[in-house]
Amino acid sequence: QSVLTQPPSASGTPGQRVTISCSGSSSNIGSNAVSWYQHLPGTAPKLLIYSNDQRPSGVPDRFSGSKSGTSASLAISGLQSEDEADYYCAAWDGSLSGPVFGGGSKLTV
Amino acid sequence: EVQLVESGGGLIQPGGSLRLSCAASGFSVSSDYMNWVRQAPGKGLEWVSIIYSGGRTYYADSVKGRFAISRDNSKNTLYLQMNSLRAEDTAVYYCARWLQAFDYWGQGTLVTVSS
Repeated sequence: QSVLTQPPSASGTPGQRVTISCSGSSSNIGSNAVSWYQHLPGTAPKLLIYSNDQRPSGVPDRFSGSKSGTSASLAISGLQSEDEADYYCAAWDGSLSGPVFGGGSKLTV
Repeated sequence: EVQLVESGGGLIQPGGSLRLSCAASGFSVSSDYMNWVRQAPGKGLEWVSIIYSGGRTYYADSVKGRFAISRDNSKNTLYLQMNSLRAEDTAVYYCARWLQAFDYWGQGTLVTVSS
């Protein structure tokens, strides 16, 4: 049982916009920044979004993040076949003194 | 350039012990919050343990009392000592740096606990 809650799956067709939600509590998302990761089988997870809505250099602006209260969302616009992957949210949890993850959302394009 | 390279994984019998290593380059493991994260087969990412720059350590409930995180500043290497291993500890183990997010990850090392 993950501390943060994500839908297990999401889907879209090429060119569409999809969003993935992430729900937490006051001890994590409610008081700390959210980050998002893309994970392809056999590779290391890749940081997509940090500090709720910031993109590291090299991440396309098709990926965007937002946060409101104890929930956050990742939006992917102009969906491409190579976006098919697992996506995870994470946030610092003050009550656990460490980061926590969502259960992951498998995106099918 | 920042790099993290894990090693030490393998096949181990239930109840056994294993020590994972994560050699860092491009930054100092003593300066940042360093973590171990794992992914069991067919499951999601699970945070395992963290060591703060000041040396304080914390663990997920699933490994508390069995795993120990440490670092060797002179070798710029992070470790995870895993004792009393169980079948449910079977996973790919990643080391990752936390700097407001997991910004750098290693490639992972597979630990299989089976008789």
